[in-house]
Amino acid sequence: EPEVTQTPSHQVTQMGQEVILRCVPISNHLYFYWYRQILGQKVEFLVSFYNNEISEKSEIFDDQFSVERPDGSNFTLKIRSTKLEDSAMYFCASSDRQMVDQPQHFGDGTRLSIL
Amino acid sequence: SQELEQSPQSLIVQEGKNLTINCTSSKTLYGLYWYKQKYGEGLIFLMMLQKGGEEKSHEKITAKLDEKKQQSSLHITASQPSHAGIYLCGADNDYKLSFGAGTTVTVRA
Repeated sequence: EPEVTQTPSHQVTQMGQEVILRCVPISNHLYFYWYRQILGQKVEFLVSFYNNEISEKSEIFDDQFSVERPDGSNFTLKIRSTKLEDSAMYFCASSDRQMVDQPQHFGDGTRLSIL
Repeated sequence: SQELEQSPQSLIVQEGKNLTINCTSSKTLYGLYWYKQKYGEGLIFLMMLQKGGEEKSHEKITAKLDEKKQQSSLHITASQPSHAGIYLCGADNDYKLSFGAGTTVTVRA
């Protein structure tokens, strides 16, 4: 069964450094998402992406964050100058269409630890 | 914004016993999704409900959306160790998902 893949599974970075999280969505999907889950908290929406542009972003997704689809298969989340509070599990998701009857399929996540 | 409350927060069940998890929304649900998460891993899609009164089953898991579309329940029959994990309900919120805090299920042999 097709799946969303994320790399790396775990990333340790010094505060202030840039980090890029990578995702390969399901191949025929058109809508892409990033969510994050801080330890012990709910999964939170960060951003949605369609047709090479951001569809919607949350208040969390400030200027230090950016997303890109550099080629036909990858979808990346960049955090420019990491802070301690960016430590979280980051999930990529994709869906076929942006309709209520189309579930989002999630990857296994990247655990980001900021030191 | 839409808030989802899950109950219980955690539960321990003897293998072979049934269990039920509830998800209550602060607003009408237009799409309700159940996911399962193993600790430190991703979210696995289980089921999706849209219509009031809808009920879906897959293997030993049944999910329902009540008529008023503000509450959903997930029921597992004859639980097995493979059912252990964190169950999350998610609601469609203008095509992005809002999640509950999750229910941790432990199955004791």
